[in-house]
Amino acid sequence: QLQLQESGPGLMRPSETLSLTCSVSGGSVSSKTHHWGWARQPPGKGLEWIGSIPYSGATYINPSLESRVTISVDTANNLFSLRLTSVTAADTGAYYCARLLQGDVLDIWGQGTLVTVSS
Amino acid sequence: EIVVTQSPATLSGSPGERVTLSCRASQDISINLAWYQQKPGQAPRLLIYGTSTRPTGIPTRFSGSGSGTDFTLTISSLQSEDFAVYYCQQYKNWPPHLTFGPGTKVDVK
Repeated sequence: QLQLQESGPGLMRPSETLSLTCSVSGGSVSSKTHHWGWARQPPGKGLEWIGSIPYSGATYINPSLESRVTISVDTANNLFSLRLTSVTAADTGAYYCARLLQGDVLDIWGQGTLVTVSS
Repeated sequence: EIVVTQSPATLSGSPGERVTLSCRASQDISINLAWYQQKPGQAPRLLIYGTSTRPTGIPTRFSGSGSGTDFTLTISSLQSEDFAVYYCQQYKNWPPHLTFGPGTKVDVK
């Protein structure tokens, strides 16, 4: 049974770089039929797709975040990562990693990790 | 960007009742629509993709329909565990630019 687990800092200061990791168990990030991605949710608000990556390494990023986001995959350690630069309070929220069916439907989600940006 | 809207924002229902949630896309997305359920403090769960396909393990009381710009999610007989927020998400374009609706909260009447 595939499981995803996010890890990263809970509290950040404005202008810092957020780095999150998603560890995959019960499956492989080298799967040719799935992509791996990230979504986020500000407190009390809706969902926003951040971006995704197939095993090949090509990345697809939400245009609204494209200048600040990097997504990468580590096949050796069976995980994938999110990097978000120059964070502000607007980046506060729950961050979820997920598996995507053919790159477009998030079928398996991690439990999420809360990131707070505050000075 | 394809904008997705949902109505109503809140829907009050009683156990056993049939309820219908609506989702609209700002342009034709064919049947490239998914629905998710989210309970407080939990990650979203995929309920429906391809407008009407249920993943393994999703109860048959959840059904989806529509095409083009207008879609619906129907819960045929509301159960206590169904009180949650429901999001729709479109995935028409490639490269992907996935967008979610603002959600419909289903609460107890």
